[in-house]
Amino acid sequence: SQELEQSPQSLIVQEGKNLTINCTSSKTLYGLYWYKQKYGEGLIFLMMLQKGGEEKSHEKITAKLDEKKQQSSLHITASQPSHAGIYLCGADTSGNTPLVFGKGTRLSVIA
Amino acid sequence: DAGVIQSPRHEVTEMGQEVTLRCKPISGHNSLFWYRQTMMRGLELLIYFNNNVPIDDSGMPEDRFSAKMPNASFSTLKIQPSEPRDSAVYFCASRTTSVKQFFGPGTRLTVL
Repeated sequence: SQELEQSPQSLIVQEGKNLTINCTSSKTLYGLYWYKQKYGEGLIFLMMLQKGGEEKSHEKITAKLDEKKQQSSLHITASQPSHAGIYLCGADTSGNTPLVFGKGTRLSVIA
Repeated sequence: DAGVIQSPRHEVTEMGQEVTLRCKPISGHNSLFWYRQTMMRGLELLIYFNNNVPIDDSGMPEDRFSAKMPNASFSTLKIQPSEPRDSAVYFCASRTTSVKQFFGPGTRLTVL
């Protein structure tokens, strides 16, 4: 079965610092999704990656899918308190199956 | 578009009571998913539907859980009887093929 490992499990960074979150799949992916969740709220879609080597950016958040399509990284530049939350990666193995999610990375940004 | 709509947002009930969670997917989406989120186990898929037909319910924890999708715009997840270990946030999500999956705001269930 598909498994996703996220690291680190939690992260505390000072405002203005850069950070990276990793997501590793046990299988080759059709697509890899990144979501952000604030406590008590639903999941907000950030980015979807499908091609090996693909990189996408949204404001100060950049995500990349490696060539083998088994690992993705999410990079935040100059972190702000608004970036705090739980970041989840979701794996799509065929384009028509439910996403399987990692356990998430809890990010705290301190002033 | 209002997005995926879930109700209620919060539910507090006593052990043994029946609980019904409701979901309205985004219009035009043909797949609907029910997930459960807990601190220990993260976000787990319970069941999903394609074109209103249940495809995989292997994630449903026990016979106490059941889900229906009588039409393309409505689905329910029912727990009967509820137990304290069912306390979690339940999310509904919808999508079409190869398009991003949209999540509802979730229902926070507390079973006392």
